[in-house]
Amino acid sequence: DAGVIQSPRHEVTEMGQEVTLRCKPISGHDYLFWYRQTMMRGLELLIYFNNNVPIDDSGMPEDRFSAKMPNASFSTLKIQPSEPRDSAVYFCASTLGQFGYTFGSGTRLTVV
Amino acid sequence: AQSVTQLGSHVSVSEGALVLLRCNYSSSVPPYLFWYVQYPNQGLQLLLKYTTGATLVKGINGFEAEFKKSETSFHLTKPSAHMSDAAEYFCAVSATGGGADGLTFGKGTHLIIQP
Repeated sequence: DAGVIQSPRHEVTEMGQEVTLRCKPISGHDYLFWYRQTMMRGLELLIYFNNNVPIDDSGMPEDRFSAKMPNASFSTLKIQPSEPRDSAVYFCASTLGQFGYTFGSGTRLTVV
Repeated sequence: AQSVTQLGSHVSVSEGALVLLRCNYSSSVPPYLFWYVQYPNQGLQLLLKYTTGATLVKGINGFEAEFKKSETSFHLTKPSAHMSDAAEYFCAVSATGGGADGLTFGKGTHLIIQP
């Protein structure tokens, strides 16, 4: 099992550019979560999906953020336009029911 | 709503000494509780979890935690610290084990091991 795979590992972009983060959950997992980690705010839940359907996006900070899950093996988190305050580590996690999350290695986003 | 408070953003212990990382939670329903460890530039790895049943939970790498409902606590311990334990530790709570509503994390505790 390859675990949760996120790409890219690092992303540096200029303010105003569109950024797309990608996640491949563990096969068979029915929940997928996107988290953001910053020094100031710690780990924040942004959005989660169940069986590819968005359930709760109340953690998405602004309309500049959007997430999709077109199929059970792929999800994206998009920021358009990006701003320096979006700089953070973004984690994807997946789980099967209530047995605990498996996290990806994260994408470190830097917006300059 | 659930919340987690981790006492001490930094904890320093000597190698071989007892490790105690404190976690208190608030939950409107019986909680599911988790401890995760994060090594530099890596994702979060599950150390242990409490769902139901035995209140003393054993995890990986010699860690254990005890769920105390009366104290709303879930402190993490390890009898003898090793240099490799140096990392960031996160306590988290969920109403349903993470499958239905996501995890709420504490701010984390940075564990420093002194040689």
